[in-house]
Amino acid sequence: GQSLEQPSEVTAVEGAIVQINCTYQTSGFYGLSWYQQHDGGAPTFLSYNALDGLEETGRFSSFLSRSDSYGYLLLQELQMKDSASYFCAVRDKGENQGGKLIFGQGTELSVKP
Amino acid sequence: DARVTQTPRHKVTEMGQEVTMRCQPILGHNTVFWYRQTMMQGLELLAYFRNRAPLDDSGMPKDRFSAEMPDATLATLKIQPSEPRDSAVYFCASGRQGGVDEQYFGPGTRLTVT
Repeated sequence: GQSLEQPSEVTAVEGAIVQINCTYQTSGFYGLSWYQQHDGGAPTFLSYNALDGLEETGRFSSFLSRSDSYGYLLLQELQMKDSASYFCAVRDKGENQGGKLIFGQGTELSVKP
Repeated sequence: DARVTQTPRHKVTEMGQEVTMRCQPILGHNTVFWYRQTMMQGLELLAYFRNRAPLDDSGMPKDRFSAEMPDATLATLKIQPSEPRDSAVYFCASGRQGGVDEQYFGPGTRLTVT
């Protein structure tokens, strides 16, 4: 089966750096995605890592280690608006071409002044 | 600014009634996904389509749920009869060719079944 583990909640202060970890177990692996969801809103795609290493997009970076089945999302220069839930997701190879995304339970990030 | 649209945004209905949710994917996207989100279960995939063909609906209770894509601009999710445990937010998402990893979500339909 497939499973993803991420912390249920993280708290940090404005201007700080926070790292949200994700470990996964899948029958097949293509890559690791990250999504952001504000309270009452829709999930929004943040990043995708297919290869090992760090991908940077502005204040957000995402890292993947395929050998460790591990990745993380790094948020720098935290702002109040970053308070949201963050989901990691992996594509299950599945029976059908292309597979489907399996989402973690989400990490609720609270940014304090 | 291309977006996925969903209607209705909110729906309150009584147990036993039929509920139909609609989704318009982003023009040019050929994969469409239906998800259900609850506090207890998180984000669950119900069904997904590629080029209007259903590829996977293993997450959907077949006895009461059905999903279709009558054409490339419309996806529907129907519940008949609805039950209180169906209360959740239902999201539609679309993706580009092969776009499983990068999905664009609609605003969701918040369903309450009393």
